[in-house]
Amino acid sequence: DAKTTQPPSMDCAEGRAANLPCNHSTISGNEYVYWYRQIHSQGPQYIIHGLKNNETNEMASLIITEDRKSSTLILPHATLRDTAVYYCIVKTGANNLFFGTGTRLTVIP
Amino acid sequence: GAVVSQHPSWVICKSGTSVKIECRSLDFQATTMFWYRQFPKQSLMLMATSNEGSKATYEQGVEKDKFLINHASLTLSTLTVTSAHPEDSSFYICSAKMYRDRNTEAFFGQGTRLTVV
Repeated sequence: DAKTTQPPSMDCAEGRAANLPCNHSTISGNEYVYWYRQIHSQGPQYIIHGLKNNETNEMASLIITEDRKSSTLILPHATLRDTAVYYCIVKTGANNLFFGTGTRLTVIP
Repeated sequence: GAVVSQHPSWVICKSGTSVKIECRSLDFQATTMFWYRQFPKQSLMLMATSNEGSKATYEQGVEKDKFLINHASLTLSTLTVTSAHPEDSSFYICSAKMYRDRNTEAFFGQGTRLTVV
């Protein structure tokens, strides 16, 4: 699976959009970009995934660059409950889900 | 999203005893289940992958005789930590996936915190 690079931590003001970047410059054509988050002492929660088109669901939007070498997860209106570690993972369907170190997002009141 | 339930949520056991953790997919059939371990302030580490009806595949460095995994049905997988020692104290998390090879999401349980004293 391709390696991903994320900033270790970010802050975001409550009510503002949180934009979490992820670099995956070695991504291959059949690898998807997945985002999960883990709130303290809980199991990870699936957020969204995509291949090359931008995706949106009730939780977030995923913007993937045209060359697919990077992506951004957008939480449109961050709340305190969005404080968590966010993981960007690149994988094919057949491969397992390996977690990197993620980005610790802190939403500030 | 689909629901995956782990039991127990936390357990304390004596050194040398064995502990069984259950992982159930409540509203879907999981052909594949995964077991992870997470130490404090670290990321999740994949321990093993189990497909229903077959033996688990363990990641490098994970002792298969110590961490026994059984995936006897499409809705239940168990992880047994045998002869537990204090260094096995960790947060154990399972996840389940409906289809092994498709690009569908995996759903996670709430985790089990194991403390070995």
